[in-house]
Amino acid sequence: GAVVSQHPSRVICKSGTSVKIECRSLDFQATTMFWYRQFPKQSLMLMATSNEGSKATYEQGVEKDKFLINHASLTLSTLTVTSAHPEDSSFYICSPSGLAGETQYFGPGTRLLVL
Amino acid sequence: AQSVSQHNHHVILSEAASLELGCNYSYGGTVNLFWYVQYPGQHLQLLLKYFSGDPLVKGIKGFEAEFIKSKFSFNLRKPSVQWSDTAEYFCAVKVVTDKLIFGTGTRLQVFP
Repeated sequence: GAVVSQHPSRVICKSGTSVKIECRSLDFQATTMFWYRQFPKQSLMLMATSNEGSKATYEQGVEKDKFLINHASLTLSTLTVTSAHPEDSSFYICSPSGLAGETQYFGPGTRLLVL
Repeated sequence: AQSVSQHNHHVILSEAASLELGCNYSYGGTVNLFWYVQYPGQHLQLLLKYFSGDPLVKGIKGFEAEFIKSKFSFNLRKPSVQWSDTAEYFCAVKVVTDKLIFGTGTRLQVFP
């Protein structure tokens, strides 16, 4: 399968601060990047979809000004949680995709805890 | 809107028991179907996938799934589970918009 990395794997921050999560596809070019959020004991919920060089498309209920996505290159995408609050504590997972219809692989996830 | 349903939220089995996890989706067009597994503390791993062809697909670790188009179903099966199969299992459907939509997941616990 594809090699996908996320950094950091775990982060604890104070309420009101911003946190940046990096996602890298190490062995293929990700024309599309999906960002998911997984709350404890729940399924993955798609937050947004971004295509390289374009603005991200956000799912209903996801604040675009709070979750800033940058997909400036085919191997790197970042998700910045701005002014984080305790309710943003979750497991954030990226999923890069190359060709349409191709199997989708997932990063190892970033666990965010906002105090 | 497209949706994926997994009816079994929590399944408890003894080792060697047979497993079948249900997955139904609502979408009338062409779909690609997946089962992913998430072992405790680990990230999602692909178990198997269906794009086209033989509706009975075999995956890793002895798992298989059958696509029944008329029932909009893609159930996961394993004839004999092991303790190491304890994990969360997610059915997912990819539609033409390229979004991957996940089911709610089924937690499987296997006791020795």
